Amino acid sequence: EAGVAQSPRYKIIEKRQSVAFWCNPISGHATLYWYQQILGQGPKLLIQFQNNGVVDDSQLPKDRFSAERLKGVDSTLKIQPAKLEDSAVYLCASSPGQEHEQYFGPGTRLTVT
Amino acid sequence: SQQGEEDPQALSIQEGENATMNCSYKTSINNLQWYRRNSGRGLVHLILIRSNEREKHSGRLRVTLDTSKKSSSLLITASRAADTASYFCVPRGGFKTIFGAGTRLFVKA
Repeated sequence: EAGVAQSPRYKIIEKRQSVAFWCNPISGHATLYWYQQILGQGPKLLIQFQNNGVVDDSQLPKDRFSAERLKGVDSTLKIQPAKLEDSAVYLCASSPGQEHEQYFGPGTRLTVT
Repeated sequence: SQQGEEDPQALSIQEGENATMNCSYKTSINNLQWYRRNSGRGLVHLILIRSNEREKHSGRLRVTLDTSKKSSSLLITASRAADTASYFCVPRGGFKTIFGAGTRLFVKA
């Protein structure tokens, strides 16, 4: 079965620019997660979707970050405007249900200069 | 908080030895999941143990769960250099998913 797909794999932007990441979860997975992982730390949950509804976005910096999951399948995460501290790996994961095991994509490494 | 706290923070062993990592948590759970992150394969789910289970095996991995002590352990037997990675435990008992800092395992060849 195909895994979680993410694009792009790498992105370099200047501060104050905008960037968008795309995620295609495993077919049939109802739950989709976006995480931010900074070097040396565990992944930090930004937002969790159940189908196309938001379950948890308590740690999403809503002044600059936004995410959507159209039709309950693919998802995009956007940062506008980016700050230096947004440099991190952005991981997308999906699972069959909310407390099932999560399957992670390869991530997008973002560098903000 | 449902964050699992892994212990030790770092562990260095020789290839062939066993590695044990521990996890403690504070709330009631439905299951507990272990994940591994290495440079080659990214973040991968290893094993899920339900709250009514006490022990579970998967290949060289053995996970135990003691809900009375709110703790879990992950044992990797006959370790290999490829087991070098960070290991995370994630207690699940509600909607929120929180990863801790993990245990960094280094297996020397």
